[in-house]
Amino acid sequence: GAVVSQHPSRVICKSGTSVKIECRSLDFQATTMFWYRQFPKQSLMLMATSNEGSKATYEQGVEKDKFLINHASLTLSTLTVTSAHPEDSSFYICSARGVNTEAFFGQGTRLTVV
Amino acid sequence: AQRVTQPEKLLSVFKGAPVELKCNYSYSGSPELFWYVQYSRQRLQLLLRHISRESIKGFTADLNKGETSFHLKKPFAQEEDSAMYYCALRGYNQGGKLIFGQGTELSVKP
Repeated sequence: GAVVSQHPSRVICKSGTSVKIECRSLDFQATTMFWYRQFPKQSLMLMATSNEGSKATYEQGVEKDKFLINHASLTLSTLTVTSAHPEDSSFYICSARGVNTEAFFGQGTRLTVV
Repeated sequence: AQRVTQPEKLLSVFKGAPVELKCNYSYSGSPELFWYVQYSRQRLQLLLRHISRESIKGFTADLNKGETSFHLKKPFAQEEDSAMYYCALRGYNQGGKLIFGQGTELSVKP
């Protein structure tokens, strides 16, 4: 299957700083990328959907100024958690979908804010 | 509102026993339904989707529109089936986003 790579896989940052997570589709063009947040042994909560070259569409309750999403190319989307706080600590997962393909998931990024 | 419900948080069976992971959905229309699996320390991966009507790793799932269910079944569980299983829904003209259920942890004991 297609490969989606997330970087970094783990990151620890200080409260008040910003952290950027990258999501790359390695062998296909991702026209749409999705960002999820997952709590331990719980479901994936969709945060936002981004289409290449367009502004992201955020789900209800997700602060767009807090979670900045950029999808500038067909192989790269980034999620920046701005002014991170301990409650932002979580597992963030991206998925990418191309034309006529199913969604493929990245390996996830464990964010810990101290 | 779109919703996917997996009533069981944990399902524990012995090897060789039949397995049924329940999934019910709420959607005003004809959605696409999927099952995703997440093995320990691995990424989420697609197991099967209702439109394919296929059997993957011995698992099958039938969409029952009358009961709005998409239960996942396997006649004889194997230890390697132990994982988290997520039922997901994709609505029509929704930008392709997937709505996930809460997940069911399947534990197959020897």
